[in-house]
Amino acid sequence: DGGITQSPKYLFRKEGQNVTLSCEQNLNHDAMYWYRQDPGQGLRLIYYSQIVNDFQKGDIAEGYSVSREKKESFPLTVTSAQKNPTAFYLCASGQGMTEAFFGQGTRLTVV
Amino acid sequence: AQKITQTQPGMFVQEKEAVTLDCTYDTSDPSYGLFWYKQPSSGEMIFLIYQGSYDQQNATEGRYSLNFQKARKSANLVISASQLGDSAMYFCAMREGYGGATNKLIFGTGTLLAVQP
Repeated sequence: DGGITQSPKYLFRKEGQNVTLSCEQNLNHDAMYWYRQDPGQGLRLIYYSQIVNDFQKGDIAEGYSVSREKKESFPLTVTSAQKNPTAFYLCASGQGMTEAFFGQGTRLTVV
Repeated sequence: AQKITQTQPGMFVQEKEAVTLDCTYDTSDPSYGLFWYKQPSSGEMIFLIYQGSYDQQNATEGRYSLNFQKARKSANLVISASQLGDSAMYFCAMREGYGGATNKLIFGTGTLLAVQP
């Protein structure tokens, strides 16, 4: 089935560690996005990419990094520079103007 | 700058009644798309409906319809015959442009809908 797969579903990170969240899509979409959602709040854009080997910062990019080496994959690294990383992370992909679909999300907790 | 505004933090509706969730947007780009998503307590974002800025007719998908008023820059979601399973958070989103630096997908703050039996 076509769709967007995020893994893992739950992730625990120790203070000072970098962790990488996976996002893979087989929808042949050009654009991919990463969002952060805090409890009871909306989605804030971290990074987005419109094409392979190119990406732009969103509204809250500090402490995060991404890569887009393949069209299907857009991994997000939460670095130790992100002071408050505990949140729900959602990946999306889109094509043209009419399509934008989400993965199931990854819930990251700092322990 | 592009912006999405959802002014209703929470809404109640009786089962089987219709409900309208408000969304206004701001953009200077003539080409844009508007989306509505449903987020149940499980966290997944479920695509509901899409409206393009050049579409002449309001979009409909089953019990969902989008009341698109371009001059007012509003894109309200109408859910007819509400069901208990409609209880969730609802987000309005916009994507503008056909590429380039502004081709972001941005979201409003959401409306929490509670359907009462």
